[in-house]
Amino acid sequence: AQSVTQPDIHITVSEGASLELRCNYSYGATPYLFWYVQSPGQGLQLLLKYFSGDTLVQGIKGFEAEFKRSQSSFNLRKPSVHWSDAAEYFCAVGAGYDYKLSFGAGTTVTVRA
Amino acid sequence: NAGVTQTPKFQVLKTGQSMTLQCAQDMNHNSMYWYRQDPGMGLRLIYYSASEGTTDKGEVPNGYNVSRLNKREFSLRLESAAPSQTSVYFCASRDNRDRITEAFFGQGTRLTVV
Repeated sequence: AQSVTQPDIHITVSEGASLELRCNYSYGATPYLFWYVQSPGQGLQLLLKYFSGDTLVQGIKGFEAEFKRSQSSFNLRKPSVHWSDAAEYFCAVGAGYDYKLSFGAGTTVTVRA
Repeated sequence: NAGVTQTPKFQVLKTGQSMTLQCAQDMNHNSMYWYRQDPGMGLRLIYYSASEGTTDKGEVPNGYNVSRLNKREFSLRLESAAPSQTSVYFCASRDNRDRITEAFFGQGTRLTVV
């Protein structure tokens, strides 16, 4: 069975600073990987996804993520955060014949002025 | 284009009461899912429906039942609510004709069982 680990429960970053959120997955074959963002009281919005090909993928809102098979990681990055990036971020892996999603526990990002 | 619509948005139940959470999608997706979100645990899959007419258990199905009413609608029923079912519930759908697609989520239903 697949699983996802997000080692950081909470990260605080200054506005304008860079951000990196870690995600490690466990799955025997090539996974399909996703990052979602959830603003307070809202549903989940897809930031980006990786299926195959180029290991550096670009998403919305200036986010990017890099797939590293050797490290079983799919870390999310943003060069310069904005106050509006304060939210909870979820990494997810899709696998199995029906590609059910398994989610990490999430990382809450706080942006300080 | 509404996407995935969940009703109600908020609900308070007494222990032992029953209720049904409704979900409808207008994207012609085959697969639909019910997740619950609890602090520090991410989203956990309760039930899913890979296509109309089929349903399967996820990670945490106990205490829940589902019905795939038609292609658009997938409901989640709590027969006898318990405080442990206090959570935020999300419905999602995806197009599995091309298996490699993302899921789209509703806005969630915040359920409190007292």
